[in-house]
This record gives sequence, C-alpha cells and structure tokens, in this order.
Amino acid sequence: AQKVTQAQTEISVVEKEDVTLDCVYETRDTTYYLFWYKQPPSGELVFLIRRNSFDEQNEISGRYSWNFQKSTSSFNFTITASQVVDSAVYFCALSEASSGNTGKLIFGQGTTLQVKP
Amino acid sequence: EAGVAQSPRYKIIEKRQSVAFWCNPISGHATLYWYQQILGQGPKLLIQFQNNGVVDDSQLPKDRFSAERLKGVDSTLKIQPAKLEDSAVYLCASSYGSNPYGYTFGSGTRLTVV
Repeated sequence: AQKVTQAQTEISVVEKEDVTLDCVYETRDTTYYLFWYKQPPSGELVFLIRRNSFDEQNEISGRYSWNFQKSTSSFNFTITASQVVDSAVYFCALSEASSGNTGKLIFGQGTTLQVKP
Repeated sequence: EAGVAQSPRYKIIEKRQSVAFWCNPISGHATLYWYQQILGQGPKLLIQFQNNGVVDDSQLPKDRFSAERLKGVDSTLKIQPAKLEDSAVYLCASSYGSNPYGYTFGSGTRLTVV
C-alpha cells in the first residue's frame, strides 16, 4: 500500500537556523515519483521539486536541498539559513507508475514550519 | 501562461444545501484533478479526468459528490446535500497528461458547512 509519513507536525525555528523536514514513504512500485510542495497561508500549493525513483542524486537549489535515500525510503528537505518567508506548510507527496497513471499524488499530513525573526 | 482558475474563492453554506465549484485548467492540459484538503491534512484525490473521461474516482463519495468535465476543458464539482464533514479546501489541478510533469494547482475553494 502506498503511504507518505511526515512525522513532524510543527517545527519552529529562529531565522537563519537550518531546518530539515522529514518524509518517509511506502510503495511496492519500483518506478515512482516524489515531490515537495509548499503551501503558504494564501493556500495555493507551490511546486518545489520532483524526483524519480531512479535518480538518487541529491539536489541543491539555492537555500533548499533534498536528500533522497531509497535504502531508508526517505526524501528529506533541508532549508539552510531559514527566513521568515519560509513559514508555510510543507507537503511531501508520492505518485506511482504501476497503473500507468502517475497523475495521482498521495500526500503526507504536512509539516508546519514557523520561522521567527 | 495563465494558471489554473477556480471559483468561488470562499463559500459558506448550511448543511443539506448544495454547492458547486468551477475549475478552468491551463490551456492544453488534458488531465484535470479535484483534490479535497481537510484542515490539518494533506490533499486527497477525489477524481481525475483525462480529457472528458474519468480516469479515477475511487475516492469520490458518489452518493453526494458529482463532477463533470464537458468538452474536456473546464470542470464542475458538486456536492448535494452537503454535510458538516465536507468543510475543506477543494483544489483543482491540471497536467499535460496522466503523469506528474507540468502539474499545476489552483488556489482552491474554501468551503465551510455550518
């Protein structure tokens, strides 16, 4: 069965601290995609990254970095030198390729990040 | 490129009333999705269309929810009659095909059932 777990419900940090958001997933598929989305108070879901299951290379984009480890079924997200504008709810999501339809996203419960000035 | 348009932005209704939400996807996107996001939870897929055909509606409560996508462009999601537990944000998304590329979400409709 497919599942995404974000064990951290809320995280609070002070500006300029580094913070890591954890994501653990379950799937029987060998081909799948993992995502991170940001949901600011305005409500829209902002795409951050997509990774396919065959690409375990870590990625860095500015202050954001992602660590994908198939051995532990984890896809963690780190924000370096956090800023107040990073305050939002962050979602990890999974889509599987087994049915030929990778359009269905399975989301975790989300982690609320509060960055205090 | 215009984004995914949704209306209304907010809606408050009494239980047992009916309500409808509208979504206009990005031009050229064949696949359209409706997600339900209950407060404090991640979005959950309700229904997925490929052009004007249904790909997946396994989690749509069909006794009260219905959706259509006439002409394979915009879509309407209806709830009749509404229950208190239907209070949520209803998000529409679209993509080029049934794959995760070019996946874009709208701003959502926040429904409150009182």
